[in-house]
Amino acid sequence: KAGVTQTPRYLIKTRGQQVTLSCSPISGHRSVSWYQQTPGQGLQFLFEYFSETQRNKGNFPGRFSGRQFSNSRSEMNVSTLELGDSALYLCASSHIPGEGPDTQYFGPGTRLTVL
Amino acid sequence: QKEVEQDPGPLSVPEGAIVSLNCTYSNSAFQYFMWYRQYSRKGPELLMYTYSSGNKEDGRFTAQVDKSSKYISLFIRDSQPSDSATYLCAMSASGGSNYKLTFGKGTLLTVNP
Repeated sequence: KAGVTQTPRYLIKTRGQQVTLSCSPISGHRSVSWYQQTPGQGLQFLFEYFSETQRNKGNFPGRFSGRQFSNSRSEMNVSTLELGDSALYLCASSHIPGEGPDTQYFGPGTRLTVL
Repeated sequence: QKEVEQDPGPLSVPEGAIVSLNCTYSNSAFQYFMWYRQYSRKGPELLMYTYSSGNKEDGRFTAQVDKSSKYISLFIRDSQPSDSATYLCAMSASGGSNYKLTFGKGTLLTVNP
């Protein structure tokens, strides 16, 4: 079974631009969560989607948004990029939210660099 | 005070050593406790998962949770160079539909041959 895939793997943008990252969950998984990982803050929860609905949201500004499609694929968008948005963005999928964390699998991440 | 505190290390040990990794937390609502391993340029992978207090063993790995002290540990016996990675503790208040993971910053471990 293929794992969680994220595209692109690496991205370089400049301040003020916007970016869209994509996540394809494991086949059959319907829940997708997004996390931001930085050396200073560690891994921080961004939001979670299930059946095209955002069910939970972390403490990030409105510049960070996401959506989920009917095939469970998810995208996250960051508008008006700031230098501090440079991070590894991780996507995790699970079959159904509410199952234990042992059913959640992470993708390899997208490394975003903002210049 | 952050909800989850984890010593970032780095921690360097010789092969075969027993490794102890720890996290403390402040949120009494946390009930699910996880340890993840993250290799360079990879996403985290779940190593151990414990609900509430107690010990759990899986091969060379033992996870301990002490909810009264708000303290969790991961022990690695007979450490191997392949164990070299960043270890992240994570916690969740609920396994229900609104669960989200709160992570420690991770401890970088190097096991030297």
